[in-house]
Amino acid sequence: QSALTQPASVSGSPGQSITISCTGTSSDVGGYNYVSWYQQHPGKAPKLMIYDVSKRPSGVSNRFSGSKSGNTASLTISGLQAEDEADYYCSSYTSSSTRVFGGGTKLTVL
Amino acid sequence: EVQLVQSGAEVKKPGATVKISCKVSGYTFTDYYMHWVQQAPGKGLEWMGLVDPEDGETIYAEKFQGRVTITADTSTDTAYMELSSLRSEDTAVYYCATASSSGEAQFDYWGQGTLVTVSS
Repeated sequence: QSALTQPASVSGSPGQSITISCTGTSSDVGGYNYVSWYQQHPGKAPKLMIYDVSKRPSGVSNRFSGSKSGNTASLTISGLQAEDEADYYCSSYTSSSTRVFGGGTKLTVL
Repeated sequence: EVQLVQSGAEVKKPGATVKISCKVSGYTFTDYYMHWVQQAPGKGLEWMGLVDPEDGETIYAEKFQGRVTITADTSTDTAYMELSSLRSEDTAVYYCATASSSGEAQFDYWGQGTLVTVSS
C-alpha cells in the first residue's frame, strides 16, 4: 500500500485560507468516504481534525473543513491563525481493511 | 475521559525485540480497534496494524508483516505492540490510537507516544 500523496509544504498569511490536497486511488480515498485529517505540532501526538471526509469532531474549530472529489481529498483552513502552523496528515481506509497515511504537509503561517 | 497511556522509552540493540504497552481507560476496551502508528525522526506517520480487542483478530501493514505482533489483554485493558529483528530504521516514536462511537475508520484518541531507539 503506497502512501497517499500530499504537498510537502503550504503557506499562508494570517486571515487567509489554504487548502491541502491528499491524492490516493480508487482502492482508498476514491473508494470510501473514510478520509480523516490530523494536525500535529512538534513533539506532540496527532490530533483528529476531520473524519469521514467532512465531519468535525466536537471542539474542532469550524475554520477547518474537508471535502473529496474522485481520488483526491482536501482540507481547507480558513481565517489562518498562528496556532494553525503545524504538520497535517491525511489518512484513508483501504480495500484491504488497512489504513494508510499521506506523507504529511508542513503548514507555515507567514 | 478517554486516556491511552503508553510505556516508557526503550533502547535496544539491532536484532532485538521491543514490546510496548498501551493501557486504556475511560471507555470499554473491546468497543474499538486499537491501532499502532510509527513515526521515524523528522518523518511522517506510518500505519503498522490493528487489533480487535473483542476477538484478538489482527490486520498488519505489508511493510511490517512478519515482524510485528499486536495483541490485546482484556483483563487489564492493555494493548501491546511487539516489533522484532530491530534495525536502525526502526528508531521512531510509536503511538497507539483508537476510534470512537463516531466510527472505526479514524483515530480519535492517541497515546503520548513511546520512543524506541535502536543502536549498537
